[in-house]
Amino acid sequence: DAGITQSPRHKVTETGTPVTLRCHQTENHRYMYWYRQDPGHGLRLIHYSYGVKDTDKGEVSDGYSVSRSKTEDFLLTLESATSSQTSVYFCAISEGFNRKGEKLFFGSGTQLSVL
Amino acid sequence: TQLLEQSPQFLSIQEGENLTVYCNSSSVFSSLQWYRQEPGEGPVLLVTVVTGGEVKKLKRLTFQFGDARKDSSLHITAAQPGDTGLYLCAGEFFGNEKLTFGTGTRLTIIP
Repeated sequence: DAGITQSPRHKVTETGTPVTLRCHQTENHRYMYWYRQDPGHGLRLIHYSYGVKDTDKGEVSDGYSVSRSKTEDFLLTLESATSSQTSVYFCAISEGFNRKGEKLFFGSGTQLSVL
Repeated sequence: TQLLEQSPQFLSIQEGENLTVYCNSSSVFSSLQWYRQEPGEGPVLLVTVVTGGEVKKLKRLTFQFGDARKDSSLHITAAQPGDTGLYLCAGEFFGNEKLTFGTGTRLTIIP
């Protein structure tokens, strides 16, 4: 199994509070991704990173920011959580040097509930 | 926006039966992947197909990529309870290298 650790695994927070989710990898992969998974929508890309301090937006980036100060860590921050951000969040990694058919390895997810 | 449609959304069958699930798009894929996701876990890659008409087999699972590269199917022979899970297809489209995921087929195999 790919070495990907997400923390926390579960979190309950209140509307308006900041929340940070962490993804840590031990594979030294270049690319890291944050997805959210919601019923009826599948997995949707929030942000991704192609190197230290190199990030870009995905299709549902509003309300989220990311940071990558080290190869192994990718942080997802909800500056002011809203109920619409209740979801399961997945981190994924890929080697990134062969883009066609790139293989993604996923973490086990973080269940976030915003009340 | 490029969309992937998966069908059926839900499928519940008896152990030992055969089944096929589908992934379709109106756009051409440059490559397509199938993942399986179990409750409480992240998706795990099963296969990648890149050539139109390509067929790949993984034990009792057969994956086919359409000739026109707009659709794919997953066929399971003699389903077992361990096949239970959410099956997701994910495609790369020409000009957009980021994966687009379908909404999945939730498969339940009844012992």
